[in-house]
Amino acid sequence: AQTVTQSQPEMSVQEAETVTLSCTYDTSESDYYLFWYKQPPSRQMILVIRQEAYKQQNATENRFSVNFQKAAKSFSLKISDSQLGDAAMYFCASMNYGGSQGNLIFGKGTKLSVKP
Amino acid sequence: KAGVTQTPRYLIKTRGQQVTLSCSPISGHRSVSWYQQTPGQGLQFLFEYFSETQRNKGNFPGRFSGRQFSNSRSEMNVSTLELGDSALYLCASSPRWGSPVGTFGSGTRLTVV
Repeated sequence: AQTVTQSQPEMSVQEAETVTLSCTYDTSESDYYLFWYKQPPSRQMILVIRQEAYKQQNATENRFSVNFQKAAKSFSLKISDSQLGDAAMYFCASMNYGGSQGNLIFGKGTKLSVKP
Repeated sequence: KAGVTQTPRYLIKTRGQQVTLSCSPISGHRSVSWYQQTPGQGLQFLFEYFSETQRNKGNFPGRFSGRQFSNSRSEMNVSTLELGDSALYLCASSPRWGSPVGTFGSGTRLTVV
């Protein structure tokens, strides 16, 4: 069975600094997707970044980048130049390629606080 | 374009009652999936609908059901509510079944007293 583990329940970062959120996963599939979602107090889950497992290059979206280590089954999120608006719950998730939305497995989340 | 709309935003029900939650997907999206979010269990998949057919179901009791209409709008129903059903219920829509990215709504916060 797929599992996603986020070992940091809470993290804190100073505004304008860099923070890295950790995520490990386990799957027996060779083709899968990995995601980071952000959930602010508004409750809406917002897709931050997505990585296809077959791609060796790490995904990047503006200030957000990932460090994808396939052999180690690790998928960390780096937020550069942190802003107050980055404060939220962050969820790591995985999905087997070709699966339905039901195969979207989430970690327990990391609460990120940003200090001014 | 409008996002995923979930109604109502908040709901308070008594044990034993039933409840219906609504989700209107992004225009043109035909797949709708539902998730339950609780502090203890985190995010858990409930079910997914595509073209008015349930395509996948999570590990929830039969008290949880859903349906999808021809305009892709979806409803989920929970009968004989229990205290443990208190949760945030999130809906996500995507263009097609199996699409790896879904756009989520802001959820319905259900409290069972």
